[in-house]
Amino acid sequence: AQSVTQLGSHVSVSEGALVLLRCNYSSSVPPYLFWYVQYPNQGLQLLLKYTSAATLVKGINGFEAEFKKSETSFHLTKPSAHMSDAAEYFCAVSDQGYSSASKIIFGSGTRLSIRP
Amino acid sequence: GAVVSQHPSWVICKSGTSVKIECRSLDFQATTMFWYRQFPKQSLMLMATSNEGSKATYEQGVEKDKFLINHASLTLSTLTVTSAHPEDSSFYICSARDIQIYGYTFGSGTRLTVV
Repeated sequence: AQSVTQLGSHVSVSEGALVLLRCNYSSSVPPYLFWYVQYPNQGLQLLLKYTSAATLVKGINGFEAEFKKSETSFHLTKPSAHMSDAAEYFCAVSDQGYSSASKIIFGSGTRLSIRP
Repeated sequence: GAVVSQHPSWVICKSGTSVKIECRSLDFQATTMFWYRQFPKQSLMLMATSNEGSKATYEQGVEKDKFLINHASLTLSTLTVTSAHPEDSSFYICSARDIQIYGYTFGSGTRLTVV
């Protein structure tokens, strides 16, 4: 079974500061990993994904994440926070299969607040 | 890029009635679609996985007779909440898997309020 754990349900940083959202995964097979962002009353937008290629993945809006197998982590970072980054962020894991049983499982989410 | 259209974006219905939510993949074929439910300030809970042309697979604890899922074509899946009650009020989100890019694209969600 696969799962992800997001450490910290709420993270608050100052505008311009480093953003670090933590995600640890558990998977019995090589995982695919994702970070999504959700704004209020909206669906999910993909920020970036890891699919067993480069371990450092760059996404949209200046976000990036590094896959660390030894630490089973996939933390999301951004060097300088903007007010528009305030949202809910979800880490997710999927196996690499294309079978009908393959699915994506979400973490509990981290709400990011940006202080002026 | 891949786009998933979900309608309606919000709906209010009376208790005891049924509501249908549509999820369409606009520019790719989605052999597999997923339905999630999200309570306020919580994560997405997978309700069921639907594969085109076959019966949906429901997660444990989800009532299949209450949440009817149909995936009749490669671009359309529907979720029908039957005999809705106030406790069914929630945010429902669909997702389609694109095997060409191995990605999951999400609809914009449907806010269901049962009064």
